[in-house]
Amino acid sequence: EDKVVQSPLSLVVHEGDTVTLNCSYEVTNFRSLLWYKQEKKAPTFLFMLTSSGIEKKSGRLSSILDKKELFSILNITATQTGDSAVYLCAVEPRGGATNKLIFGTGTLLAVQP
Amino acid sequence: EPEVTQTPSHQVTQMGQEVILRCVPISNHLYFYWYRQILGQKVEFLVSFYNNEISEKSEIFDDQFSVERPDGSNFTLKIRSTKLEDSAMYFCASRATGMSYEQYFGPGTRLTVT
Repeated sequence: EDKVVQSPLSLVVHEGDTVTLNCSYEVTNFRSLLWYKQEKKAPTFLFMLTSSGIEKKSGRLSSILDKKELFSILNITATQTGDSAVYLCAVEPRGGATNKLIFGTGTLLAVQP
Repeated sequence: EPEVTQTPSHQVTQMGQEVILRCVPISNHLYFYWYRQILGQKVEFLVSFYNNEISEKSEIFDDQFSVERPDGSNFTLKIRSTKLEDSAMYFCASRATGMSYEQYFGPGTRLTVT
């Protein structure tokens, strides 16, 4: 059965800290891994990763994928209170045209002032 | 910036009633999805829809559920006879064509079945 496991489940840090969120996966046929940020309601897209070892970066956020070890990390540097959210990792299996996403349980990040 | 919209934001219904959740996907997207998230649990795939038909559905998507694209803009999820365990946040998502396009999610409809 395809599954996505995120760790830690929750994390409390202070503003300015750097955090690393982990996502490991088992999927029969892998196409891509996606990171989303969920604040109040809708998950908002952060990154899509398809190739190993290529870092994707957006401001203070970055992510990288290791397809051999089947995991990805999401780094946030110089955290701010606005980074407080649930960070979701999802895997898109290959096969079929419609590409459903399989989500992990998420990591709840709380950034304290 | 284009976005997925959903109505209503919150729906309260009694067990056994029918509900219709509505979504307007991003206009040039052709793949549509419904997911749900029971409080405190992970986001779960329900169904995907392309070219006016269901492409894939999960085991959750039983005969009580149906989807429809009644016109060129709306995408609906109907639950025929709601159960208490249908209480959840329901997210609609859409995606452009191609092999490497991310799914964009709507703000969700919180369904409460009493």
